[in-house]
Amino acid sequence: DAGITQSPRHKVTETGTPVTLRCHQTENHRYMYWYRQDPGHGLRLIHYSYGVKDTDKGEVSDGYSVSRSKTEDFLLTLESATSSQTSVYFCAISEWRVHTGELFFGEGSRLTVL
Amino acid sequence: GQQVMQIPQYQHVQEGEDFTTYCNSSTTLSNIQWYKQRPGGHPVFLIQLVKSGEVKKQKRLTFQFGEAKKNSSLHITATQTTDVGTYFCAVTQGGSEKLVFGKGMKLTVNP
Repeated sequence: DAGITQSPRHKVTETGTPVTLRCHQTENHRYMYWYRQDPGHGLRLIHYSYGVKDTDKGEVSDGYSVSRSKTEDFLLTLESATSSQTSVYFCAISEWRVHTGELFFGEGSRLTVL
Repeated sequence: GQQVMQIPQYQHVQEGEDFTTYCNSSTTLSNIQWYKQRPGGHPVFLIQLVKSGEVKKQKRLTFQFGEAKKNSSLHITATQTTDVGTYFCAVTQGGSEKLVFGKGMKLTVNP
């Protein structure tokens, strides 16, 4: 398996609190992604990064921000968590652009917002 | 935005049966990838198709890209209980860096 670590793996928080999920890779891959997975919706792209300090929005970016200050770390922040952000969050990495490369996924972070 | 439909959403088969699932787009695709996610697990890459009409095989799995590059199929021969999981197609269009996933096809197998 690719060297991807997501933390925390499980978190329960209250509405209105800030939450940061961390994705750490040891593969030195350029591209990193955050997806959320919800029943009936499949995997939806939140944000992605194509290099240090280079990020862009995905399909469902409202309410989320990201940062990538180092190649190996990609942080996803919920500034003020809402119940609609209860989900399983997957980080993914790719060595190449998605036209030519596959995604390697982390184990996922299950977030519950009460 | 990019829309991709997977049909059917659910498939229940008897062990040993063959079946086919489809991924359809209204627009021309640059490439298509297929992933499998076991229950409680994370998505794992299976295959990528790039060329019109391309066919690739992995043991009992056959993947095909449509001639117009607007659809793809996954055919599983002699289904086994190890095939259980959700299969996702994921697509890119044009020069986009965004890989958009379908909602998935959940497969259950009766032993």
